[in-house]
Amino acid sequence: DAGITQSPRHKVTETGTPVTLRCHQTENHRYMYWYRQDPGHGLRLIHYSYGVKDTDKGEVSDGYSVSRSKTEDFLLTLESATSSQTSVYFCATNRQGERTDTQYFGPGTRLTVL
Amino acid sequence: AQSVTQPDIHITVSEGASLELRCNYSYGATPYLFWYVQSPGQGLQLLLKYFSGDTLVQGIKGFEAEFKRSQSSFNLRKPSVHWSDAAEYFCAVGSNTGNQFYFGTGTSLTVIP
Repeated sequence: DAGITQSPRHKVTETGTPVTLRCHQTENHRYMYWYRQDPGHGLRLIHYSYGVKDTDKGEVSDGYSVSRSKTEDFLLTLESATSSQTSVYFCATNRQGERTDTQYFGPGTRLTVL
Repeated sequence: AQSVTQPDIHITVSEGASLELRCNYSYGATPYLFWYVQSPGQGLQLLLKYFSGDTLVQGIKGFEAEFKRSQSSFNLRKPSVHWSDAAEYFCAVGSNTGNQFYFGTGTSLTVIP
């Protein structure tokens, strides 16, 4: 257990509003990831970070931005939420970003955009 | 490009029966393969992983997986399923660059008494 928490755990919002999800880790892992999980698609990478202020896009990054100002926190922002962004969002970390590294997952945030 | 296919969306087995969940990967070099389990309402937890060496890998909770390069497969097995194994199972492969992981679409397991 890598001590990963996500907040909020549940959120309902309206189309067009900004939303920020927070991931916090206590293990000092270098890499952090944001995924979304949708039926029939499994987990898809949104953005990831390989250090403070170092981020890169994943497979489904459109409509999302991220920031990492501290090692322990990785924020995911939906600038203007749309119904297609209704999903369960998972944060994950791994120690060094090596292919052999285990990913540790947070408990998820269920976001509903009305 | 790397990809993972889990051909079975949903599997139902009786408690005590054996289980095999299929995973096929597409990868140009030596793959780094993982199986994760997700219980309802929870995040994913690592069951086992394969990098090299013995192609039969043992994991937690009595699971094992066998890497078969000739079939591009990494199937997960358990000889006797328990009701608590009901969950969703994901196969994943690590990217060439080592900083991304690609997940299959998952297999949902139901265990009937």
